[in-house]
Amino acid sequence: SQQGEEDPQALSIQEGENATMNCSYKTSINNLQWYRQNSGRGLVHLILIRSNEREKHSGRLRVTLDTSKKSSSLLITASRAADTASYFCATDAEAAGNKLTFGGGTRVLVKP
Amino acid sequence: DTEVTQTPKHLVMGMTNKKSLKCEQHMGHRAMYWYKQKAKKPPELMFVYSYEKLSINESVPSRFSPECPNSSLLNLHLHALQPEDSALYLCASSQVGGDGYTFGSGTRLTVV
Repeated sequence: SQQGEEDPQALSIQEGENATMNCSYKTSINNLQWYRQNSGRGLVHLILIRSNEREKHSGRLRVTLDTSKKSSSLLITASRAADTASYFCATDAEAAGNKLTFGGGTRVLVKP
Repeated sequence: DTEVTQTPKHLVMGMTNKKSLKCEQHMGHRAMYWYKQKAKKPPELMFVYSYEKLSINESVPSRFSPECPNSSLLNLHLHALQPEDSALYLCASSQVGGDGYTFGSGTRLTVV
């Protein structure tokens, strides 16, 4: 079963704009991870945030985590056409047997 | 080497065929995973191997048979599949209890 739910399901923006997507989950987590998937191929690990962290940055990516609300957000700044992809959050939770469980994903289209 | 290699990239098989999917990594990861992904859906966990032993089987039908011959290789043997088994099959690896999975590019399977 899905641990994470992502919002929005799809997002269309112009190149240079920022893209924000959100992930909500149900149980306490060890960490939350974000992955990118291009055109139905393999997933690429973007960033991991642990349950005791509130914010992390990696290049143009900014991830926040609010454990009280059981939610996370991924911000992509100054988007590029190459950022067009599906983005998935995934949670590692003891309640799920420490298996990585993926949310439904957000499809992002960056128009040149 | 920081990659997970999956072969073949595409596979078409009949319902009476027997085929195998292969996955290889040389990162020293001792946890390996099979995921199944249908179009526009998140990846769903099928099997987890930890130290070459099957640790999680997510109630996958017996027509899917995993095998981990050594710490670098993971196979998925397929027999008597159904058309609804058509999907992208993703292999991933990680450190045991570690953070962040490395995914292969997947095998696009079509059952006819």
